[in-house]
Amino acid sequence: ILNVEQSPQSLHVQEGDSTNFTCSFPSSNFYALHWYRWETAKSPEALFVMTLNGDEKKKGRISATLNTKEGYSYLYIKGSQPEDSATYLCAFPSTGNQFYFGTGTSLTVIP
Amino acid sequence: DAGITQSPRHKVTETGTPVTLRCHQTENHRYMYWYRQDPGHGLRLIHYSYGVKDTDKGEVSDGYSVSRSKTEDFLLTLESATSSQTSVYFCAIRSDRVAYNEQFFGPGTRLTVL
Repeated sequence: ILNVEQSPQSLHVQEGDSTNFTCSFPSSNFYALHWYRWETAKSPEALFVMTLNGDEKKKGRISATLNTKEGYSYLYIKGSQPEDSATYLCAFPSTGNQFYFGTGTSLTVIP
Repeated sequence: DAGITQSPRHKVTETGTPVTLRCHQTENHRYMYWYRQDPGHGLRLIHYSYGVKDTDKGEVSDGYSVSRSKTEDFLLTLESATSSQTSVYFCAIRSDRVAYNEQFFGPGTRLTVL
């Protein structure tokens, strides 16, 4: 079992604030790092797949960076909106075809 | 849309009864996964399959069995349900056509064991 950790566990921000959270993962045998967005009562949806050290991906107001040498990825949300409220999961695929998920960061954006 | 359906979507059962959950996909993906979601634990892998009749255990496989007799269906069975198996169960497929193989999830099955 691989240890994938996310912090903080939950976050409450005001509408318009920018925020970020962290996923840490084993730095050895890196293959890829996935970010998912998970809204309540729905199923997780893929946001980003990060593969190279120094990768930076962006989708609208959401962006992510990757540091494979130190084993962490940051997810940033600029100008948070209520519709950004969700749980953000990272997942670390192992070479054995399994995905190890973090416990997620629950984001609540207060209007 | 990866064409994944789960049935049933909701089920209430009693301790000691067998339960089977079905995951169905329409796109012939090789890899299929069963996860359970519990507060404070995120998603934990129960079992996965890498082809017809090829399956392997995940992190929390005790009390669960799986079968995959055809590519499109992956069944999860609780032989004798216990209250600790009350959870939301998600099926996922791993696309063979997408670079770096991200997973796509079904809508989930909410199981309550009384």
